[in-house]
Amino acid sequence: DGGITQSPKYLFRKEGQNVTLSCEQNLNHDAMYWYRQDPGQGLRLIYYSQIVNDFQKGDIAEGYSVSREKKESFPLTVTSAQKNPTAFYLCASSTNNSPLHFGNGTRLTVT
Amino acid sequence: SQQGEEDPQALSIQEGENATMNCSYKTSINNLQWYRQNSGRGLVHLILIRSNEREKHSGRLRVTLDTSKKSSSLLITASRAADTASYFCATDRGAQKLVFGQGTRLTINP
Repeated sequence: DGGITQSPKYLFRKEGQNVTLSCEQNLNHDAMYWYRQDPGQGLRLIYYSQIVNDFQKGDIAEGYSVSREKKESFPLTVTSAQKNPTAFYLCASSTNNSPLHFGNGTRLTVT
Repeated sequence: SQQGEEDPQALSIQEGENATMNCSYKTSINNLQWYRQNSGRGLVHLILIRSNEREKHSGRLRVTLDTSKKSSSLLITASRAADTASYFCATDRGAQKLVFGQGTRLTINP
């Protein structure tokens, strides 16, 4: 079955540590996106990539970094510079401006 | 910044009743999309309405768009327990860079 796999589902880190969230898709989609969701809130765009080896900042990119070395993969690193990293992180993909297809998210808790 | 605002924030109805959710936005759009999110899961696309369309149907879903008022509504008819979820509207800034509203939490009571 085609889809987006985010791993792990739950992630716990100590403050000051960088952490990388995985996102893999087998839909052959060109574009991939990272969103952050806080409790009771909508989604906010962190980074997006429309083609391999290229990515753009979204609305809340500070404290995050990404790479897009392969079409299938778009990992997100939450750095120690991100002041409030605890959140639910969602990865999505799209092709030809079709509606977004989402993974099931990673819930990150930083203490 | 969040462009969409949804109303109500929470809605609780009896199974079989209709549910209406509203969304307002601030700037010109290419299209407006509605998504559903079950608790702790990713979002699922429901329906897309383009800026030159006024109404669209998909099964038990009806979406309207009023670009003069910068607003949209989602109607779910004959609700079922499985419709319990959060519903989000999202506007497209181009290249599927979506701006999401804060969502409406819908609870269907048996």
